[in-house]
Amino acid sequence: AQSVSQHNHHVILSEAASLELGCNYSYGGTVNLFWYVQYPGQHLQLLLKYFSGDPLVKGIKGFEAEFIKSKFSFNLRKPSVQWSDTAEYFCAVGTTDSWGKFQFGAGTQVVVTP
Amino acid sequence: EAQVTQNPRYLITVTGKKLTVTCSQNMNHEYMSWYRQDPGLGLRQIYYSMNVEVTDKGDVPEGYKVSRKEKRNFPLILESPSPNQTSLYFCASSPTGTGWAKLFFGSGTQLSVL
Repeated sequence: AQSVSQHNHHVILSEAASLELGCNYSYGGTVNLFWYVQYPGQHLQLLLKYFSGDPLVKGIKGFEAEFIKSKFSFNLRKPSVQWSDTAEYFCAVGTTDSWGKFQFGAGTQVVVTP
Repeated sequence: EAQVTQNPRYLITVTGKKLTVTCSQNMNHEYMSWYRQDPGLGLRQIYYSMNVEVTDKGDVPEGYKVSRKEKRNFPLILESPSPNQTSLYFCASSPTGTGWAKLFFGSGTQLSVL
């Protein structure tokens, strides 16, 4: 069975700093990869997803993620964060072997200070 | 407004008393799923359903039941709740085909089992 690991549980940074959140998965087959975000008081929502093609994926709100197959990684990046990026971020993996089955990482709480 | 609606938002119950958490979506999505969120563990999938009358186990199905008699509803049933089922529960839906795996989440149900 696949698993998902997020390296940082809590990240604190200042506005305008760059953000990179690590995500690694363990699965040898074809994967679909996702980043979801949960802003305070709001529903979880999709930031971006990767199915195939260009390994650099751009999502909403200026986020992007890079799929590196050899490293089983799908790290999330944003060049310059804003206070409104304060949220919890979840990496998730699905596989083509088990459509409908998804595994989420433990989440990373990001706090952006003004 | 397109949404996934869960009820109730908060529930306190006692060990062994059967309960149902309802989930309804108004987007005509074929796919629906249930997750529990626990600190440090992220979201773990309980059950999912690719379509009406089709349900499959996620990673943590023990102690839960689901049914999918109609496309819009996917209730989660705890026949005999135990304290280790105290958690925050999320329902999610997604279209299949184009837009697959963009999960739309409900607001969550905070369950406490005493």
